[in-house]
Amino acid sequence: AQKITQTQPGMFVQEKEAVTLDCTYDTSDPSYGLFWYKQPSSGEMIFLIYQGSYDQQNATEGRYSLNFQKARKSANLVISASQLGDSAMYFCAMRERNSGNTPLVFGKGTRLSVIA
Amino acid sequence: GAGVSQSPSNKVTEKGKDVELRCDPISGHTALYWYRQSLGQGLEFLIYFQGNSAPDKSGLPSDRFSAERTGGSVSTLTIQRTQQEDSAVYLCASSLETGGFKRTQYFGPGTRLLVL
Repeated sequence: AQKITQTQPGMFVQEKEAVTLDCTYDTSDPSYGLFWYKQPSSGEMIFLIYQGSYDQQNATEGRYSLNFQKARKSANLVISASQLGDSAMYFCAMRERNSGNTPLVFGKGTRLSVIA
Repeated sequence: GAGVSQSPSNKVTEKGKDVELRCDPISGHTALYWYRQSLGQGLEFLIYFQGNSAPDKSGLPSDRFSAERTGGSVSTLTIQRTQQEDSAVYLCASSLETGGFKRTQYFGPGTRLLVL
């Protein structure tokens, strides 16, 4: 079974509007971390935001926030006030404590296009 | 400070030739990861290093793939007798340690490999 599911292959958003990118995950490990990365056309993976399974509050980093709903196993990324430079692929990833703290497991990504 | 660097940025080779991909992690990062990203896909884990040792080689797709890391720093991923299905972007990431699932992995710009 897929550990990370991103159901939106592509999304469009108007400049200056907010957008939510969906991510659901599957794990039986009570300790895990969730990460979001941005991959512009240049190809580099840029770390955006992290949420730990025991964190009491939703993570925020500037215009990025994470809508973490633990019971539903979802960790949606919210980008506020979208900018043209936000156009990119966005990947949700997870790391479980009991996996030996090794690789990140990635979803297939969502391509976001910001329209002027 | 300097991020993760990779070389070459692009590599075109003929089927059957060997290639070497290099990764220079962030200074002080003891953990190093190799991933592969095929066109339009998410990231596939290949191998990781803690220091100079590779506890997890489970992601290497075949025995044509090997990797080493010397001096706890630079790593080389070698693909022998390249095949067309090896064409992909090879991404390297590093993190401070693997001791915790919270550790963020920072990625390099990738090497785009094309096997003709």
